[in-house]
Amino acid sequence: SQTIHQWPATLVQPVGSPLSLECTVEGTSNPNLYWYRQAAGRGLQLLFYSVGIGQISSEVPQNLSASRPQDRQFILSSKKLLLSDSGFYLCAWSVRDSAYEQYFGPGTRLTVT
Amino acid sequence: SQQGEEDPQALSIQEGENATMNCSYKTSINNLQWYRQNSGRGLVHLILIRSNEREKHSGRLRVTLDTSKKSSSLLITASRAADTASYFCATGGGTALIFGKGTTLSVSS
Repeated sequence: SQTIHQWPATLVQPVGSPLSLECTVEGTSNPNLYWYRQAAGRGLQLLFYSVGIGQISSEVPQNLSASRPQDRQFILSSKKLLLSDSGFYLCAWSVRDSAYEQYFGPGTRLTVT
Repeated sequence: SQQGEEDPQALSIQEGENATMNCSYKTSINNLQWYRQNSGRGLVHLILIRSNEREKHSGRLRVTLDTSKKSSSLLITASRAADTASYFCATGGGTALIFGKGTTLSVSS
């Protein structure tokens, strides 16, 4: 069966520090991968999605970047965090070439202080 | 931009009651999905309804879709405390889904 992992689960970082969140998927090949951010009490904002290694689409201009160095690995990064980067970050995957059912990881709670 | 918009934003009911939440969207869709999110957790897919379907059931869940009104509803029957969560509708095609802001459901025993 397929599983999706995210780490760390929680993170507290000072303003101006770098960020690296990792997401890995097991049990499937060639998935679409997604990064979402959820502000407190809000809906999900799609940040990035990837349909293959090295292929990244950005949905909103921001202080963040994403990379997909391996088929089932998706990394969210920042060189310098802002207070507004605080939130709940969710990674998800779906079957390639489909925006149907998405499977979400447990999320990372990021607090920028 | 937000495609789906859930209504109400928050809903409080007693165990055993039914809960109904609605989703409106703006553009034509191929399908619409509903997800549940327990506090501090990832989202879990509940049900997908295609644009040529009008109603779909899964256990205690009933979803309807009215493409002429661009709206969908999710009914949870005989609710339980464990149904307490946020519920999101999602639409989209191609490679990405667009989620609404969600309805927060509280079921008290």
